[in-house]
Amino acid sequence: AQSVSQHNHHVILSEAASLELGCNYSYGGTVNLFWYVQYPGQHLQLLLKYFSGDPLVKGIKGFEAEFIKSKFSFNLRKPSVQWSDTAEYFCAVKGDYGQNFVFGPGTRLSVLP
Amino acid sequence: DTEVTQTPKHLVMGMTNKKSLKCEQHMGHRAMYWYKQKAKKPPELMFVYSYEKLSINESVPSRFSPECPNSSLLNLHLHALQPEDSALYLCASKPLFQVQATDTQYFGPGTRLTVL
Repeated sequence: AQSVSQHNHHVILSEAASLELGCNYSYGGTVNLFWYVQYPGQHLQLLLKYFSGDPLVKGIKGFEAEFIKSKFSFNLRKPSVQWSDTAEYFCAVKGDYGQNFVFGPGTRLSVLP
Repeated sequence: DTEVTQTPKHLVMGMTNKKSLKCEQHMGHRAMYWYKQKAKKPPELMFVYSYEKLSINESVPSRFSPECPNSSLLNLHLHALQPEDSALYLCASKPLFQVQATDTQYFGPGTRLTVL
């Protein structure tokens, strides 16, 4: 069965600091990987996704993530965060077959102005 | 149009009430999902419909009854709920094509349900 873990429950940063949120997954086959963001009071939005090819993927709002197959990781990064990045971030995994997405527990990011 | 809509936005119901949540998308997606999300927690999968047929039921209690009347609509019928069922109920959809680039879920804004 698939499972997803996220290293940090709550991350607090000052504006302009660099961000890295960890995500590790457990799955025996080929996976598709996603990062979703949920701003306060809003619905889940897709930040970026990885299916195949270049393991460094770029998403919206200056976010990027790197897939490291040997480490079963898909960490999210942003070089300089803004106050508006304050949100809950969810990593999700889907096997290459089937329709089931599995979400990690989420990381709450608070950016101080 | 990359939008999934859900109605109502908020719902308050008693434990003896019967109500329904509605989800609609016009992107031609043939997979539709219901999730339950508690505060500060990730979405928990409840049901998946593929080609309007129930394909996944994650051992959800029978007081939740999904229905997919056509390829654009997904309902969740609620009856005799408990206070612990209070949560944000999210609908999502995605294509059933095998092209990976489109294998992405799109989420609706959710219905905030409170059971008294």
